[in-house]
Amino acid sequence: GNSVTQMEGPVTLSEEAFLTINCTYTATGYPSLFWYVQYPGEGLQLLLKATKADDKGSNKGFEATYRKETTSFHLEKGSVQVSDSAVYFCALSEAQTGANNLFFGTGTRLTVIP
Amino acid sequence: ETGVTQSPTHLIKTRGQQVTLRCSSQSGHNTVSWYQQALGQGPQFIFQYYREEENGRGNFPPRFSGLQFPNYSSELNVNALELDDSALYLCASSLGSGAPRSQYFGPGTRLTVL
Repeated sequence: GNSVTQMEGPVTLSEEAFLTINCTYTATGYPSLFWYVQYPGEGLQLLLKATKADDKGSNKGFEATYRKETTSFHLEKGSVQVSDSAVYFCALSEAQTGANNLFFGTGTRLTVIP
Repeated sequence: ETGVTQSPTHLIKTRGQQVTLRCSSQSGHNTVSWYQQALGQGPQFIFQYYREEENGRGNFPPRFSGLQFPNYSSELNVNALELDDSALYLCASSLGSGAPRSQYFGPGTRLTVL
C-alpha cells in the first residue's frame, strides 16, 4: 500500500539556520511527491512537488529531490525565517487514472525563533 | 482567479445529528476531493468527485456522502454524527483527476461534535 513517514517533530530552529525535514515513502508504483505547508488556522498550501525520480521541486527557498533509490523526498531550506513557522506535510499521489488522492504523513511542526 | 472556498468556517453539532459542508472549487477546476484532518494528524482522504461522479473513496463509512454540482462545487454530508467525527474538513480542487495534478486546498471547516 501507500504510506508516508515523516520525521517526528516538533522542530525548533533559530532564524537563518539550515532546515531538513525527512520524508520517506512506500508506494506500489511510481508516485508523485508533494510538500504542503499549513500555517496556523489555515488550510494546506502546496509548497513544491516532483513527479519523477531525480526531479527537484523548489519554491520560496525550499527544495526537495525525489530519490527513488532511497524512497525519500527530504525538505531543505538553507536559511529559515520566523515566517516559515508552520506545520509541513509530505504527501504522495499515485493514481494515473481514477482518483489522485493524496496520502499524507503526520506532519512536522517547525518553530523558528528570532 | 478565485481560490477554493468552504463554508461554514466553524460548526458545532451534537452526536446523532447530520451536517452538510460546502465547497466551491478554484476557477476552472472540475475535480473536488474531501479530506478529514483530526487534531495533530495529517489529512485522510474521504472521496473525490470528477465531473459530478464519485471516482474514488477512502476508508470511510457510507454515512459520509457527497455531491458535486454542474458548476463543480461540492457538498460533504455526514449522517449520524459521532464524537470521533470532530475534525477539520478540507476540500481540495484540481483540474482533472489522476496524478500528478496538484490539488489546491480551501481553509477548511472545523466541525465539533458534542
